[in-house]
Amino acid sequence: GNSVTQMEGPVTLSEEAFLTINCTYTATGYPSLFWYVQYPGEGLQLLLKATKADDKGSNKGFEATYRKETTSFHLEKGSVQVSDSAVYFCALSEGGGSYIPTFGRGTSLIVHP
Amino acid sequence: NAGVTQTPKFRILKIGQSMTLQCTQDMNHNYMYWYRQDPGMGLKLIYYSVGAGITDKGEVPNGYNVSRSTTEDFPLRLELAAPSQTSVYFCASISGTVNTEAFFGQGTRLTVV
Repeated sequence: GNSVTQMEGPVTLSEEAFLTINCTYTATGYPSLFWYVQYPGEGLQLLLKATKADDKGSNKGFEATYRKETTSFHLEKGSVQVSDSAVYFCALSEGGGSYIPTFGRGTSLIVHP
Repeated sequence: NAGVTQTPKFRILKIGQSMTLQCTQDMNHNYMYWYRQDPGMGLKLIYYSVGAGITDKGEVPNGYNVSRSTTEDFPLRLELAAPSQTSVYFCASISGTVNTEAFFGQGTRLTVV
């Protein structure tokens, strides 16, 4: 079956530091890949996505590249802000009739001023 | 658009009581999902539906039931609540035809005492 593995947190950074959150996946077909963000007390919301190999998703300064050869989709941001503090989930979804999203365990990011 | 709406936001149940968590989406999405989120465990799929009248079990269906009589509504029923069902519950929907990212409700925080 499908699975997503992401680095455990919490990740603690100072403002303006560089962020990387690693994500690797196992899938039977050719999934779409996603990063979702969850702010305290809220549901998940889409941060960025990539639908095929070598695609780069980007949003709000965050980027991730779909690497089929290494089955990875690492999240990066060049300069984090306090407002980026949240939990980040890597996920995949395949077609085939149900589109069931499979999520990683989530990585908590804490950014200090 | 309201997106995905869940009610209630919070609920405390006594052991053995039952309740229904409501989920409604106004985006005409065919695919809907119920997840539970436990600390450090990511999201686990309880039930899902690929369209009105069609439901199927996910990873952790025991103790829950669902129905999908309309495209908009996907209620989750808890019968005989147990402390192990203390969790945060999220409903999500996916278009499937236009795109495959998931839209989430704000969640229901349930405590069983």
